[in-house]
Amino acid sequence: KAGVTQTPRYLIKTRGQQVTLSCSPISGHRSVSWYQQTPGQGLQFLFEYFSETQRNKGNFPGRFSGRQFSNSRSEMNVSTLELGDSALYLCASSLAGVEGTQYFGPGTRLLVL
Amino acid sequence: GESVGLHLPTLSVQEGDNSIINCAYSNSASDYFIWYKQESGKGPQFIIDIRSNMDKRQGQRVTVLLNKTVKHLSLQIAATQPGDSAVYFCAEKLQGGKLIFGQGTELSVKP
Repeated sequence: KAGVTQTPRYLIKTRGQQVTLSCSPISGHRSVSWYQQTPGQGLQFLFEYFSETQRNKGNFPGRFSGRQFSNSRSEMNVSTLELGDSALYLCASSLAGVEGTQYFGPGTRLLVL
Repeated sequence: GESVGLHLPTLSVQEGDNSIINCAYSNSASDYFIWYKQESGKGPQFIIDIRSNMDKRQGQRVTVLLNKTVKHLSLQIAATQPGDSAVYFCAEKLQGGKLIFGQGTELSVKP
């Protein structure tokens, strides 16, 4: 069974731009969660989607948004990029949600200049 | 301003010894806890979980202990191997569903 895939793997943007990251979950998984990982803040939960609905949300500003499609693929969008948005963005998929085994993708490394 | 990188606590153990990684969590209403392992260049990997109505759970070579009185979680790894070298994160799930992660502990296994 193929694992979680994330595209692109690396991205360079400039302040003020927006970015869209994509996550394809493991086949059959309906939950997709997004996380931000930085050296300064560690690993932080962004949001979780289940069956196309946002079910849980972390403490991030409204510039961070996401969506999930009927095939469970998910995208997250960051608008008006700031230098502090430079991070590794990880997505994880699971059958039921943040409880139980979540399978993480390799992440998208975003650098904002 | 500049962000300061997290200085992760480091635990160094000899191969074959047992390892104990500790975590203090923040919210007494958290009802579910998870331990993850993250190797360099990879995403986190689920190790073991425990619900708040339990105080101990065992997996293969790993045991998680939960002390709700002092809001403390620990991960014990038996017979630590070089392949166990990684950063270990605990996470707590608040009743609303949000996950909060600990800062992580770097485990280094000396052969």
